[in-house]
Amino acid sequence: TQLLEQSPQFLSIQEGENLTVYCNSSSVFSSLQWYRQEPGEGPVLLVTVVTGGEVKKLKRLTFQFGDARKDSSLHITAAQPGDTGLYLCAGDTSGTYKYIFGTGTRLKVLA
Amino acid sequence: DAGVIQSPRHEVTEMGQEVTLRCKPISGHNSLFWYRQTMMRGLELLIYFNNNVPIDDSGMPEDRFSAKMPNASFSTLKIQPSEPRDSAVYFCASRQQGNQPQHFGDGTRLSIL
Repeated sequence: TQLLEQSPQFLSIQEGENLTVYCNSSSVFSSLQWYRQEPGEGPVLLVTVVTGGEVKKLKRLTFQFGDARKDSSLHITAAQPGDTGLYLCAGDTSGTYKYIFGTGTRLKVLA
Repeated sequence: DAGVIQSPRHEVTEMGQEVTLRCKPISGHNSLFWYRQTMMRGLELLIYFNNNVPIDDSGMPEDRFSAKMPNASFSTLKIQPSEPRDSAVYFCASRQQGNQPQHFGDGTRLSIL
C-alpha cells in the first residue's frame, strides 16, 4: 500500500495554463517536501512545509500543507516548458527526517 | 561544491553477476541515503546511514543487497547475485543534518539481463 498518493499521475498542458497537483495520505506528517526531477537527474528539493495550513510560494509555484497535515497541494501559475518534469512529494511521519516518497506526477508543458 | 557523485552512471550486466554501486557524498554531510526508483514502485528508500553507521535498513529488499559506509566520504551498495527484477535507477543522497535538505546524485541506471 502506497503511503502517499499523488494525482494526477500524468498531466499535459499548454504553456500559460494553470495547474494543481495533489499529494494525499491517511497518515499525519511532521513535515512534507516537494521535489522536481528531470530526466537523467536526481530529484531537487523545492520546498519543505511543517505547519498545518502553511502556504509557501516559490515564484510561480504555490505550496500548501493541509490543516491536518495529511495532504498537500502544488499550484503552478502560467506554466512554462521549463516546468516540465516529475513532481514528487515526500512525507516524514516519524519526526526523524526519514522521508517516504509519493507516486509522482509527471508534468509536460507544451510550448 | 561537486555535489553527490555516483558511479557508474550506467551498468548493464547479466543476471547472477555481482554489482557494486558507488557514492561520494557532499563533504561535511553526515547522513547518506540509498534509494531505488522504478516506474512501478516509484522512489523507495533502501537504507540510510548517520555518521557512517547504518540506522535503518528496513527498505533493503533481501539478503542479496548490502550497503557499507567505511568512511564519511564513500559508500557502496552491492547486489550479489543480481536478478533482472533489480533493474532500476539507484540514487544516493546526502544531508548535512536532520532538518537540512537532501541532495541527490544523478543516479546509476542498472540493467540486469
